[in-house]
Amino acid sequence: GAVVSQHPSRVICKSGTSVKIECRSLDFQATTMFWYRQFPKQSLMLMATSNEGSKATYEQGVEKDKFLINHASLTLSTLTVTSAHPEDSSFYICSASLGLAQETQYFGPGTRLLVL
Amino acid sequence: QKEVEQDPGPLSVPEGAIVSLNCTYSNSAFQYFMWYRQYSRKGPELLMYTYSSGNKEDGRFTAQVDKSSKYISLFIRDSQPSDSATYLCAMSSNSGYSTLTFGKGTMLLVSP
Repeated sequence: GAVVSQHPSRVICKSGTSVKIECRSLDFQATTMFWYRQFPKQSLMLMATSNEGSKATYEQGVEKDKFLINHASLTLSTLTVTSAHPEDSSFYICSASLGLAQETQYFGPGTRLLVL
Repeated sequence: QKEVEQDPGPLSVPEGAIVSLNCTYSNSAFQYFMWYRQYSRKGPELLMYTYSSGNKEDGRFTAQVDKSSKYISLFIRDSQPSDSATYLCAMSSNSGYSTLTFGKGTMLLVSP
């Protein structure tokens, strides 16, 4: 149980284009999903917290107009990197909370984005 | 001082060795402590989840939490080459709803 998938697993795009990454909880309903970014040899940095049916909460320094998050259902959240630039190249990972007391987050396999 | 400190390694051990991985933290509000294993170019996989102080064992893995010292450990017995990965500690002050604070991760290399 507690499987989280991401699509695509890797994407290469040209500078200035937009990229959408999907995060799905496959066998449970996730009230809350989280989006992280991880640069090489660095830890995960939380970008935003996504709650179903409401606006995402962004961490300080993360541009909400650049990283659009939509949590349309209890099993799907999407992250759209708008007008991507080479400095946006990174490993993007989502996680989902089971929503039960004293439970933790389960992570997707990640999406590697390369902006040329 | 960073909230969570973790030695990045790499930590190299021979197969069969007992491995000790550690994190220290500064926020006394942390109550939930997790260890994740992350293989290269993959998402983190939850290994151990503990609440408050004490020990928890699961197969070859043992997690220890010492809140008085703000110190947590993960022990791996009879280490295998397949254990080679980066191990991330993470902690939070509330349950899964709250944000996790991660360590930078320790790279473990187990040689055959």
